[in-house]
Amino acid sequence: EAGVAQSPRYKIIEKRQSVAFWCNPISGHATLYWYQQILGQGPKLLIQFQNNGVVDDSQLPKDRFSAERLKGVDSTLKIQPAKLEDSAVYLCASSLAGTAPGTQYFGPGTRLLVL
Amino acid sequence: ILNVEQSPQSLHVQEGDSTNFTCSFPSSNFYALHWYRWETAKSPEALFVMTLNGDEKKKGRISATLNTKEGYSYLYIKGSQPEDSATYLCAPRSNDYKLSFGAGTTVTVRA
Repeated sequence: EAGVAQSPRYKIIEKRQSVAFWCNPISGHATLYWYQQILGQGPKLLIQFQNNGVVDDSQLPKDRFSAERLKGVDSTLKIQPAKLEDSAVYLCASSLAGTAPGTQYFGPGTRLLVL
Repeated sequence: ILNVEQSPQSLHVQEGDSTNFTCSFPSSNFYALHWYRWETAKSPEALFVMTLNGDEKKKGRISATLNTKEGYSYLYIKGSQPEDSATYLCAPRSNDYKLSFGAGTTVTVRA
């Protein structure tokens, strides 16, 4: 079974530029998550999708971050414009369902550096 | 979002030695506790899901215990090997099913 795929793996941009990350979850997983992990901190949930609907985006900085999952499969996370404090690892995860204690399966992450 | 503390932040252990570290979390509204292992440049890997007070889980040389009444979990590594070098994340799940991650304990096994 293929795991969660993410691209790119690394990205370096200058502040005020835009960047987008892509995630392909495990086949059949209805729930998809985007996390932000800043160095020295634990991963923080940015947004959770159930199929193509948003379940929780309470911690998503909506003035600069956006995410979509148009067909209920792949997802993209965009930052526009980026700030220095957005430097982090962006993790995508998927699970069979979001309303049960199901295990979340993670991708390898995208390491973003904003200069 | 739960306040999750993991200690120590990092540790070094000699190959062959055993070690353990702690995850502390609020005991109220507890639903489950997840442990993940995250090796450099790889995906975080699920180790355990624990739900009941007194639960003990084991996977090879790694084991974990859970105390939901006092809000802590221990993870043990017996006979550490270089491949055990990783960051170990704990994530309690509250009754609203949301995960809150600790900052992790980074283990470095020295040959």
